[in-house]
Amino acid sequence: DAGITQSPRYKITETGRQVTLMCHQTWSHSYMFWYRQDLGHGLRLIYYSAAADITDKGEVPDGYVVSRSKTENFPLTLESATRSQTSVYFCASSESSGANVLTFGAGSRLTVL
Amino acid sequence: GQNIDQPTEMTATEGAIVQINCTYQTSGFNGLFWYQQHAGEAPTFLSYNVLDGLEEKGRFSSFLSRSKGYSYLLLKELQMKDSASYLCAVRGNAGNNRKLIWGLGTSLAVNP
Repeated sequence: DAGITQSPRYKITETGRQVTLMCHQTWSHSYMFWYRQDLGHGLRLIYYSAAADITDKGEVPDGYVVSRSKTENFPLTLESATRSQTSVYFCASSESSGANVLTFGAGSRLTVL
Repeated sequence: GQNIDQPTEMTATEGAIVQINCTYQTSGFNGLFWYQQHAGEAPTFLSYNVLDGLEEKGRFSSFLSRSKGYSYLLLKELQMKDSASYLCAVRGNAGNNRKLIWGLGTSLAVNP
């Protein structure tokens, strides 16, 4: 299916475990982003990528790792999950020209116990 | 610092018109976006303004005044399905690689 898909949609894990959230887009958009959304904070950028093998930190990168070996995939890894990383995570993509409108995936709700 | 302000909550009646305001202070300006987010869902794009004036798209319109650092989203003929959070976002300097500054969102409740 065309679009941007995230998996898993829901995940419960324990403190200290490694978790990877997957993001896949079929538009060949250059830019991809990872946001987290928490009450009282709105959307906060974790990492973004301008192209394959090019990534950069956003506002809240600590505790997260990303990679982008292929244009269509942008996985987000929590190397050692903490309770403060309980959140809803959104992946998004955009073209590299024009208004650069973000299109979001459906989100991944992560609970760290 | 960089900041976006919008009201936290608004209520309106079905069939009415509502205006959601957004004021911003950013380092540079390269466009303002409005997104709609229903509870439990992802944000979806509504409108984009980069020049001063009004952009109309069906029941929704968005206005921008760059000199005042101000935008509003106007929703006409409100429907129950318009109950959602409305997010204002600004792209600052051209060199910031497409990063957006987000407001906290305005939760709109449409009552029958």
